[in-house]
Amino acid sequence: NAGVTQTPKFRVLKTGQSMTLLCAQDMNHEYMYWYRQDPGMGLRLIHYSVGEGTTAKGEVPDGYNVSRLKKQNFLLGLESAAPSQTSVYFCASGRGLATGELFFGEGSRLTVL
Amino acid sequence: AQKITQTQPGMFVQEKEAVTLDCTYDTSDQSYGLFWYKQPSSGEMIFLIYQGSYDEQNATEGRYSLNFQKARKSANLVISASQLGDSAMYFCAMRETIYNQGGKLIFGQGTELSVKP
Repeated sequence: NAGVTQTPKFRVLKTGQSMTLLCAQDMNHEYMYWYRQDPGMGLRLIHYSVGEGTTAKGEVPDGYNVSRLKKQNFLLGLESAAPSQTSVYFCASGRGLATGELFFGEGSRLTVL
Repeated sequence: AQKITQTQPGMFVQEKEAVTLDCTYDTSDQSYGLFWYKQPSSGEMIFLIYQGSYDEQNATEGRYSLNFQKARKSANLVISASQLGDSAMYFCAMRETIYNQGGKLIFGQGTELSVKP
């Protein structure tokens, strides 16, 4: 009963390093999302995808790239990490129904030194 | 643009009492959905309750109910008979549905609820 799985759970990077966060869902959902959570700011949408091969920008896309090569996977990349990208990252998926909730992964805590 | 506002950064409630967490929203659309999520200290996001803008009755799920006042654009979460396990961060979120817009949710800043024994 995996649902939405994020890897890695924790990562420490130095400024300028690159990394990729992987999100995998086993619910056959069309829609997938990457959010970041910062204290006092709730969750803010970085990028999202409405189906395999599609991506779109959210509220805070700068400094991030994404890819959705397979329906079940949604990758979030940081090409040159900055301290401002220190955050908790959440992946979510959904059926795309107007009334449907999003299902979230457990989060990935990223620290950029 | 749509916006969600939660004006209570933190709240305390005595165990077994009811508590209301405030949420106001702003949208120009007539069709939208409102959601509440719970985030315990372990970090996961747990879906609690949903209210559609055309639903005539307030949504209820066990001890959770949503006090939906459309004219005032508010969607407050009411937790009855609070339990120690209700201590968590609570997020209100909205989805505009008229054009779907990718099904994304816009979140408020959150309210941290602490239940006192």
